[in-house]
Amino acid sequence: GNSVTQMEGPVTLSEEAFLTINCTYTATGYPSLFWYVQYPGEGLQLLLKATKADDKGSNKGFEATYRKETTSFHLEKGSVQVSDSAVYFCALIVGGGFKTIFGAGTRLFVKA
Amino acid sequence: NAGVTQTPKFQVLKTGQSMTLQCAQDMNHNSMYWYRQDPGMGLRLIYYSASEGTTDKGEVPNGYNVSRLNKREFSLRLESAAPSQTSVYFCASRTGQGLDYGYTFGSGTRLTVV
Repeated sequence: GNSVTQMEGPVTLSEEAFLTINCTYTATGYPSLFWYVQYPGEGLQLLLKATKADDKGSNKGFEATYRKETTSFHLEKGSVQVSDSAVYFCALIVGGGFKTIFGAGTRLFVKA
Repeated sequence: NAGVTQTPKFQVLKTGQSMTLQCAQDMNHNSMYWYRQDPGMGLRLIYYSASEGTTDKGEVPNGYNVSRLNKREFSLRLESAAPSQTSVYFCASRTGQGLDYGYTFGSGTRLTVV
């Protein structure tokens, strides 16, 4: 079946540190991959996406590359800020396109 | 601002009570979705509506019903609430059917069943 596995949190970093949140997936067919961010008390917001192998999605300094050979879509940011503290969800859509599979989420804390 | 609006934001129910969660979007999106979010479990799809007039079950539909009232509105009903339905509920919409489109989410309804 289709699934998404994310690294367990919480991840705690100091401001300006490098961030990596790992995400791997299993899927039948050729999925599109997404990262969403959820700030406290809010709904999820689409952060970035990639729709085919070797695509790189980017937004607000975050990047992720669709790696078909390793079935991964790791989220990276070169220098995190306190305002990046949130929960990050990796997700995929495959097949008919109506059912998105979400990972369990990774909570990030950034200290000043 | 354009987006997805959910009401209410908070609700406490007694076991066996019923209620309807409301959702409306003003982006002219075709498909709409209801998810529940529980700690450590990510988001799980309850029901979705691919287009006006259609609804389908998701991963965890038991205990819920939905109505796609028109293109804008998609409501979720709990007929007889149970403590296991304590959760945060999110409504979402997407513009298209393909694999390229992400969701726009509402801000959620935090439901407690006692």
